[in-house]
Amino acid sequence: DQQVKQNSPSLSVQEGRISILNCDYTNSMFDYFLWYKKYPAEGPTFLISISSIKDKNEDGRFTVFLNKSAKHLSLHIVPSQPGDSAVYFCAAKRPNYQLIWGAGTKLIIKP
Amino acid sequence: DSGVTQTPKHLITATGQRVTLRCSPRSGDLSVYWYQQSLDQGLQFLIQYYNGEERAKGNILERFSAQQFPDLHSELNLSSLELGDSALYFCASSVDPAGYEQYFGPGTRLTVT
Repeated sequence: DQQVKQNSPSLSVQEGRISILNCDYTNSMFDYFLWYKKYPAEGPTFLISISSIKDKNEDGRFTVFLNKSAKHLSLHIVPSQPGDSAVYFCAAKRPNYQLIWGAGTKLIIKP
Repeated sequence: DSGVTQTPKHLITATGQRVTLRCSPRSGDLSVYWYQQSLDQGLQFLIQYYNGEERAKGNILERFSAQQFPDLHSELNLSSLELGDSALYFCASSVDPAGYEQYFGPGTRLTVT
């Protein structure tokens, strides 16, 4: 039962353009959503999060949007830079339960 | 650098063997989490310890066990290893037991031959 889905295994974007990574979830009890970034041979690093009481959270070039009615969240990176090339994981949490992770989307930024 | 350390980085062993993976959390973090990541898959939560006690259990096989010591480092023991246990094993830590934001170590890549 995949409660958190990242349907695009990979995404290729031109440097300087916007990267949009998507994540869908099925459990309406999730109250917190996070994005992690992972480089090869390293562990995931926390990028940005959003509570279910909000619909947008911004941190520099990174913005996360939450659409609760569609059970969908997205991560926007503007402008995309070569260092953004990595695997991005979406994760969701509900109180007293563990993080549930998506399978990840590999983002490739082309020069 | 997240401040979470894991040893060893790589481990190659044979089926049927037993191995121990070690994790030291960030200074001040009381919670330790273990995850397994198989090829091209998301992270599967295995187990959580908080201040020395088991707090939550996920999809951890009976052949696997873990513990957290008084100095807060943790060990994950994998026994009777099978080929399918080959994976990346990550340790993460957080200051709180709820685990909303976790800091990950670099992982241990286990190869079972």
